[in-house]
Amino acid sequence: RKEVEQDPGPFNVPEGATVAFNCTYSNSASQSFFWYRQDCRKEPKLLMSVYSSGNEDGRFTAQLNRASQYISLLIRDSKLSDSATYLCVVKGTYKYIFGTGTRLKVLA
Amino acid sequence: DVKVTQSSRYLVKRTGEKVFLECVQDMDHENMFWYRQDPGLGLRLIYFSYDVKMKEKGDIPEGYSVSREKKERFSLILESASTNQTSMYLCASRGTGSYEQYFGPGTRLTVT
Repeated sequence: RKEVEQDPGPFNVPEGATVAFNCTYSNSASQSFFWYRQDCRKEPKLLMSVYSSGNEDGRFTAQLNRASQYISLLIRDSKLSDSATYLCVVKGTYKYIFGTGTRLKVLA
Repeated sequence: DVKVTQSSRYLVKRTGEKVFLECVQDMDHENMFWYRQDPGLGLRLIYFSYDVKMKEKGDIPEGYSVSREKKERFSLILESASTNQTSMYLCASRGTGSYEQYFGPGTRLTVT
């Protein structure tokens, strides 16, 4: 079993739609959780951290479920510019473990 | 503005060559990382360093070595390049006390 698992997609959604991604992790001792965004042929960039209480940043909402060991990312009112690959990242004691990413395509 | 730079965007080398990939950050970060990214496998950690002259193996260190002589510079060395080292190589840095990693633009290495 992979340490961090994501559905690779692609998720093809129309502009304005709401879309959600999940990510599961295997190590219950994981300490911190993040979503990174990676555009085609570009480097990953931090989108948001994920807190136990859930957190929101504009149209983006991230949630953590420690009991079931998954994190989620919800994007409301999708824009064309949201098209990218979203990487789930889990931090253990000293290293970061990246999921393989979920590809999102927002269609006009 | 935060900046991590890598010496080359694209590199083509022959099997058996020694390859140097350089990464420089201007944020005075203590921690630096080298990853490779392959389709279907995601980012995998090769080596990391938490201080000058310090290095730790990541998940896939075989065939690689690193050097960190100065705080801002972290080099990845392929002692004898092989075709299975064809990949996208990404460098990242992180300040102590921060969770965010900043990535360089990546080097796409092809070994023929």
